[in-house]
Amino acid sequence: GAGVSQSPSNKVTEKGKDVELRCDPISGHTALYWYRQSLGQGLEFLIYFQGNSAPDKSGLPSDRFSAERTGGSVSTLTIQRTQQEDSAVYLCASSLLQGAGEQFFGPGTRLTVL
Amino acid sequence: EDKVVQSPLSLVVHEGDTVTLNCSYEVTNFRSLLWYKQEKKAPTFLFMLTSSGIEKKSGRLSSILDKKELFSILNITATQTGDSAVYLCAVINSGGSNYKLTFGKGTLLTVNP
Repeated sequence: GAGVSQSPSNKVTEKGKDVELRCDPISGHTALYWYRQSLGQGLEFLIYFQGNSAPDKSGLPSDRFSAERTGGSVSTLTIQRTQQEDSAVYLCASSLLQGAGEQFFGPGTRLTVL
Repeated sequence: EDKVVQSPLSLVVHEGDTVTLNCSYEVTNFRSLLWYKQEKKAPTFLFMLTSSGIEKKSGRLSSILDKKELFSILNITATQTGDSAVYLCAVINSGGSNYKLTFGKGTLLTVNP
């Protein structure tokens, strides 16, 4: 497809387990962003990748969160030892150029930690 | 710390009404301000504003930026039930080679028939 895709769309896990969330950006987009949206809250920036540069990890809430982007395309967000407060919708977005403004969002992954 | 504040937090109107949504910001190294519409999970892009005083328009929606007073408004005229959504304002700031998008908490608009 032509848009940003994310998988899985829903993930239910038990507290303490690790989870991996995947994002396929739009082909050719050099910038990729991860956000999370907790119930009733605004979008919270987590991390972004630009080309081959070191990622901006300033938004990651704890060292249990990490992300990588392989080959400048697909990205994986990993949450280790999940906690109930990690429950949220995790959104990925990509843009053609860094700081270009228009970010195209994926449908998100709804993570529920029991 | 960068801050984006939207008001009102929620708004209920009738079809045909005109609404104005507000977004004020405090960021270092402002670059652009964006408006998004979020109906289900993924926000969809509406406008990007970089220069003061230039109105962007798309159908019944319009938006303008005031970089002196640090705010933007989003206007929707002749509202329809399909306009019901959360409207998100976000600001891009740039520090050196890094760019970051800071979102407000959004305005929940409900348009009743």
